[in-house]
Amino acid sequence: EVQLVESGGGLVQPGRSLRLSCTASGFTFGDYAMSWVRQAPGKGLEWVGFIRSKAYGGTTEYAASVKGRFTISRDDSKSIAYLQMNSLKTEDTAVYYCTREKLGSLNAFDIWGQGTMVTVSS
Amino acid sequence: DIQMTQSPSTLSASVGDRVTITCRASQSISSWLAWYQQKPGKAPKLLIYKASSLESGVPSRFSGSGSGTEFTLTISSLQPDDFATYYCQQYNSLWTFGQGTKVEIK
Repeated sequence: EVQLVESGGGLVQPGRSLRLSCTASGFTFGDYAMSWVRQAPGKGLEWVGFIRSKAYGGTTEYAASVKGRFTISRDDSKSIAYLQMNSLKTEDTAVYYCTREKLGSLNAFDIWGQGTMVTVSS
Repeated sequence: DIQMTQSPSTLSASVGDRVTITCRASQSISSWLAWYQQKPGKAPKLLIYKASSLESGVPSRFSGSGSGTEFTLTISSLQPDDFATYYCQQYNSLWTFGQGTKVEIK
């Protein structure tokens, strides 16, 4: 079964850091670009950032709201994508979803994890 | 940045109704548009990609159309399982979501 499972969420104080993990199974992880999408409580979906597959350079792009604070990386040997979140703000409070991009250059997200909640509060 | 605007924000409908949701892009995105369904407490689910391509396993009552800046998602005969929130997403230039359309029971 194709699956993404996020972990690492929790309660963190403003200004602190947190690292989320996304563990993939059921497909060749290294072939796919991966994105993170978040959803604040009661709000809509916001794309956070993505990492290309190694075949496309493994480079990253970020939304303006997180650029310079968040970093996405991947370990293809472990089938894990990471979201390192630094200098967290209260407005970063959200459910964070890991997603798989359909094969091809810039595409829709065909697989989503169940999400992990991040609460930034003092 | 490309902005996506959905209408309406909320839609009240009955089982069996034909439902249409509109999504407009602030600039042309060709056919690089997807539609997702989200139920409370669950992750979104991909329904349509490339404006009109039905994702595998999605019922054929869902269809998408449009190109350029105006797109529609149509549910031909609303079923009880379809009451949810629907989001459009452009992927012409990175990704942007619309604000969502909640389909409620009338």
